[in-house]
Amino acid sequence: GENVEQHPSTLSVQEGDSAVIKCTYSDSASNYFPWYKQELGKGPQLIIDIRSNVGEKKDQRIAVTLNKTAKHFSLHITETQPEDSAVYFCAAPNQAGTALIFGKGTTLSVSS
Amino acid sequence: DSGVTQTPKHLITATGQRVTLRCSPRSGDLSVYWYQQSLDQGLQFLIHYYNGEERAKGNILERFSAQQFPDLHSELNLSSLELGDSALYFCASSASGISQETQYFGPGTRLLVL
Repeated sequence: GENVEQHPSTLSVQEGDSAVIKCTYSDSASNYFPWYKQELGKGPQLIIDIRSNVGEKKDQRIAVTLNKTAKHFSLHITETQPEDSAVYFCAAPNQAGTALIFGKGTTLSVSS
Repeated sequence: DSGVTQTPKHLITATGQRVTLRCSPRSGDLSVYWYQQSLDQGLQFLIHYYNGEERAKGNILERFSAQQFPDLHSELNLSSLELGDSALYFCASSASGISQETQYFGPGTRLLVL
C-alpha cells in the first residue's frame, strides 16, 4: 500500500494472445491485492484478488501471481477476447489497513 | 449490478457552487468509501466511513466533506467548486471495512464544473 505502481499504462494485443499487467507496492505489510476491471461508463468491478498466504490464484482465463519478496503482483489474462478490452486497476491496502491504494490503471485493447 | 447505488448520474454546475452526491451501500454493508477519478490521477481515495463514523481520510480537500447516516447511506458534499473538481466520483461499500474485504463500486456520478 501507500504507493502502488502499475505498468504498462496501455496494452494492445490480438485476440487470443495473452496479456500481463504488473504492479509493485511499497508496504511490505500489505496482505491483500485485488484487481478491478472498469468498462466505459461503469464503476470498477472486482475480477480477482489474492491474499499474501498464496502465490498464485486462477479463475478460468484470469490468474494473479504474487511475489512478496519482490513486492510485486501481476494479472495474467490468457486467450484474450474483445470483451476483455477495458481499464484494469490493481490495488493494495494502505499502511493503516483502512483503505485501498489504486494503481493508475492499464488500458487493455484486444483487437479481433 | 454491484448493489451500490449512486445519485445523480450526471451533475453540471458552475464554479463556486455546492453539490451533494449520494450513495447507498449494498444491503448489509456497513462501510462506505468515496473515490475521485480524474483522467490524470486515476482512482484517488477520499474518505471511509464505517457504521456512521469516519474511519480514514485520504486526499480529501477541506472544501469536501462527507457523512454516513443511521440508515448507512452516505453523502459527499463538495463546496466552492473549481474547474479542477470535474471528475467521476465513485462510492464503494464493503461488509465491515477491513482492508482485506472486497469493495463493491457503484456506477459513479459524473461532475462537470463550468
